[in-house]
Amino acid sequence: DTGVSQDPRHKITKRGQNVTFRCDPISEHNRLYWYRQTLGQGPEFLTYFQNEAQLEKSRLLSDRFSAERPKGSFSTLEIQRTEQGDSAMYLCASRPGHDNEQFFGPGTRLTVL
Amino acid sequence: GQNIDQPTEMTATEGAIVQINCTYQTSGFNGLFWYQQHAGEAPTFLSYNVLDGLEEKGRFSSFLSRSKGYSYLLLKELQMKDSASYLCAVRAGGYQKVTFGTGTKLQVIP
Repeated sequence: DTGVSQDPRHKITKRGQNVTFRCDPISEHNRLYWYRQTLGQGPEFLTYFQNEAQLEKSRLLSDRFSAERPKGSFSTLEIQRTEQGDSAMYLCASRPGHDNEQFFGPGTRLTVL
Repeated sequence: GQNIDQPTEMTATEGAIVQINCTYQTSGFNGLFWYQQHAGEAPTFLSYNVLDGLEEKGRFSSFLSRSKGYSYLLLKELQMKDSASYLCAVRAGGYQKVTFGTGTKLQVIP
């Protein structure tokens, strides 16, 4: 499968714990996005990478959230000191520089107890 | 910021045509997207409009009027598998950030 992959697909954690999610984009895509989606809502933009550079970050993103893309390939999203309000589906998407179509991964569903 | 409005739910009959509207308010408009999302799945890309007019792709067409801040997605020859949420999304300014609406849940009935 050469699509966007995310790991894990599901994560259950206790409030206050740290979690880290991984996204592997389509190999030739240099643009990578993270979104968060809750039930009944559209995806909410979190951050954007072009190659290894994090060029945009939502003002809604608290300092508990951090994302990296160290070699311009896979990316990680870490949430520190999780809160119940962080429960959501975390989606990763990628695209090549010459095309506007974003390809989404299957998402990681986070449940914070 | 950006404001995106689309109907919450719509119902249409198999074989019919349905139009899903989207209005937006933004400055520095730089493109409008439509995505389809089946329940429990990730969104999949349908269309991208940056210039006024109609873009047709098979059974799906998307229209944009930048002066009116208005777009619609037209689905023809509806099939049961078209039951899904349809998300309108806008990109603005010099940014790559894409802002999604809350989506229109379409139910196709026999």
